[in-house]
Amino acid sequence: KQEVTQIPAALSVPEGENLVLNCSFTDSAIYNLQWFRQDPGKGLTSLLLIQSSQREQTSGRLNASLDKSSGRSTLYIAASQPGDSATYLCAVSNSGGSNYKLTFGKGTLLTVNP
Amino acid sequence: NAGVTQTPKFQVLKTGQSMTLQCAQDMNHNSMYWYRQDPGMGLRLIYYSASEGTTDKGEVPNGYNVSRLNKREFSLRLESAAPSQTSVYFCASSYRLYEQYFGPGTRLTVT
Repeated sequence: KQEVTQIPAALSVPEGENLVLNCSFTDSAIYNLQWFRQDPGKGLTSLLLIQSSQREQTSGRLNASLDKSSGRSTLYIAASQPGDSATYLCAVSNSGGSNYKLTFGKGTLLTVNP
Repeated sequence: NAGVTQTPKFQVLKTGQSMTLQCAQDMNHNSMYWYRQDPGMGLRLIYYSASEGTTDKGEVPNGYNVSRLNKREFSLRLESAAPSQTSVYFCASSYRLYEQYFGPGTRLTVT
C-alpha cells in the first residue's frame, strides 16, 4: 500500500527566505506526483504535476523535483512571501490499474512572517 | 468558467438522515472524484469516475453511493448518515490522468 510522508509538518520562516518542502513515498512505481496548496477553509489548488519520466517542473518561484528511485520529491520555494503561507500537500498516483487514485501526504503548514 | 462547483457549502444532518452532495465541472474533463478530508487523516478517496458511465471505489467507500449523471456532474449520496461521516468533502476533476482540479468543499456535520 502506497504511503506518503511529508516533512516537516510545520515550518515558519522570515519573508525572503528560500525553502524546501519534502515528500517521500514508499512505492516507487508511480504514474505521477502532484503538489497542491490549500488555504484555510478552502479547496486545493494544483501547483505542479511531475510525470514519472520527468525529473523536475518549474512554475514561477516554485520548482518541484522528483527522484522516483529513492521515493522522494521536493518543492523549492524561492524568495518566500507572506502570501505563500498555506498548507502544501503532496500526492502520488500509482502506475497500473489504480492510477486514478491519488494518495496524499498530510501536508506541511508553511508560515511566512513579514 | 467556474471550474468545479459544489453544493451545498455547509450542511448539518441528524444521524440516519440522507442527503446528496452535488458536484459539477465545466472544463470538459473525463474523470471526476470524491474525497473526504479529516484532521490527522489527510485526504482520502471515496469514489471516482474515470469516464462517463463508469464509477469505482476508492479507499473509503463504505456508507456512500455515487452517480455520474453526465460528463459534467458527479453526485455523492449518504443514505443513512453517521457521526463518523462528519468531514469536509471535496469533489475534483481531471482530464484523464492529468492534474486534478478541486472544488471549494462541503462541510458536513452529523449529530
